[in-house]
Amino acid sequence: QVQLQESGPGLVKPSETLSLTCTVSGGSISGYYWTWIRQPPGKRLEWIGYIHYSGTNNYNPSLKSRVTMSVDTSKDQLSLRLRSVTAADTAVYYCARLGICSGGCLADHWGQGILVTVSS
Amino acid sequence: EIVLTQSPGTLSLSPGERATLSCRASQSVSSANLAWYQQKPGQAPRLLIFGASSRATGTPDRFSGSGSGTDFTLTISRLEPEDFAVYFCLQYSTSTRTFGQGTKLEIK
Repeated sequence: QVQLQESGPGLVKPSETLSLTCTVSGGSISGYYWTWIRQPPGKRLEWIGYIHYSGTNNYNPSLKSRVTMSVDTSKDQLSLRLRSVTAADTAVYYCARLGICSGGCLADHWGQGILVTVSS
Repeated sequence: EIVLTQSPGTLSLSPGERATLSCRASQSVSSANLAWYQQKPGQAPRLLIFGASSRATGTPDRFSGSGSGTDFTLTISRLEPEDFAVYFCLQYSTSTRTFGQGTKLEIK
């Protein structure tokens, strides 16, 4: 059973960079697309973007200028960097595998999520 | 960007009853690329339905999805105690995926 676990700082200062890692276990990162999704408190989920294990990516236009995703196939990890954060970036951040492709691809396995608060 | 609107916001029902949840899109969702997820507090979302009506592996057959175009429905035929949770829809027909705001299914 594939499991995903997000890790990183739970508190980031405004204007700094949010950096998260997602470690995949019980399966390989190779062969799949992977995605990051977030949910601000009291709001709906927001898709941040996705990345293929080869490195090909696609980001949400609303975040594209500040987001970088990467993969490390040797460690079965993916990473998310979000620059110049503000309080509006406070959210639970999830990583997920896009493991079902029917038309488009969608997330079939998710991590538990990690709360990141942006505050000084 | 396709906006998904779910209704109702909260649904109060008793075990054994039938639940009907709606997800309406601001424009047509091509190829019925619409999925439903269940989320319980502190847990990762669980995929229930994809392609509007296909059950994911492990989804009980009391869960069914229907719809096309802009109107989609998740039906739970007879509620079990473990079904009380938040349900949200996702469209994956465009490069920018979008989610509904969720429906909370609570015990009456």
